[in-house]
Amino acid sequence: SAVISQKPSRDICQRGTSLTIQCQVDSQVTMMFWYRQQPGQSLTLIATANQGSEATYESGFVIDKFPISRPNLTFSTLTVSNMSPEDSSIYLCSATKLLGDRVLSDTFGSGTRLTVV
Amino acid sequence: GENVEQHPSTLSVQEGDSAVIKCTYSDSASNYFPWYKQELGKRPQLIIDIRSNVGEKKDQRIAVTLNKTAKHFSLHITETQPEDSAVYFCAAVDSSYKLIFGSGTRLLVRP
Repeated sequence: SAVISQKPSRDICQRGTSLTIQCQVDSQVTMMFWYRQQPGQSLTLIATANQGSEATYESGFVIDKFPISRPNLTFSTLTVSNMSPEDSSIYLCSATKLLGDRVLSDTFGSGTRLTVV
Repeated sequence: GENVEQHPSTLSVQEGDSAVIKCTYSDSASNYFPWYKQELGKRPQLIIDIRSNVGEKKDQRIAVTLNKTAKHFSLHITETQPEDSAVYFCAAVDSSYKLIFGSGTRLLVRP
C-alpha cells in the first residue's frame, strides 16, 4: 500500500490566519481524501480531492473555508482559512488505490494537530 | 448517502477473553468494509477488511463477518491482549469510494 508523508505534524495558529497542510504519497493513487477528527471522535470526511479539478465537498464544508488542491496523482493540500478556535482538530489525508472498481488499499497520513488560539 | 453505526462505544474485557464490535450500514451498494485500529495520537491503521462477495475473513486472532442481507458486519478479536487496547473504527466504502466511518469503539483489555 502507499506511504503518505503529511506536514506539518502539528501547529499552533492565531485566529484569523490560514494554514496549509500537505500530503505527499510515494506512488500514484486514484483517490485522495481529507478528514477531520475532533478529540475523542470519529473521522469526518471534509472533501474528495480531485486531480486537476475542484474538490468535492461534503455537507457542512465549503471551498472558501477549506480550499483543496490536487495538482497530480501523488500530492494534495488542504488549507484551513480564516481560522477560529472551533477549527482546532486533527486533520488527516488518505489515499486510495483502485483496480477497476475494486479498492486495493486505503492509507492515512500521520495527521496534523491544529490548535487555534 | 451511506451511514454507518457502530456499537458498543466502549468495551472492557479481561485479557484472554474475546471482544466483538458490531456495525451496520445503510447503502446496499457498498462493497468494501475495512476495520481500523487507532492508538492514542496515531493515525488509523487498517487491521482487516472484507469485501461484499465474502461472508467471513480471518487473520490470526482477528476475524470479520459480513451479512449483506442484514447490512451488518462485525469484528471479532479472540484471546485479547493488553496491546489490543485502542479505538477501533469500522467503515464502509460508498459508491464514490469515500470511507464512511462508524463512531468508534474504545476497547480496554484488562491484564
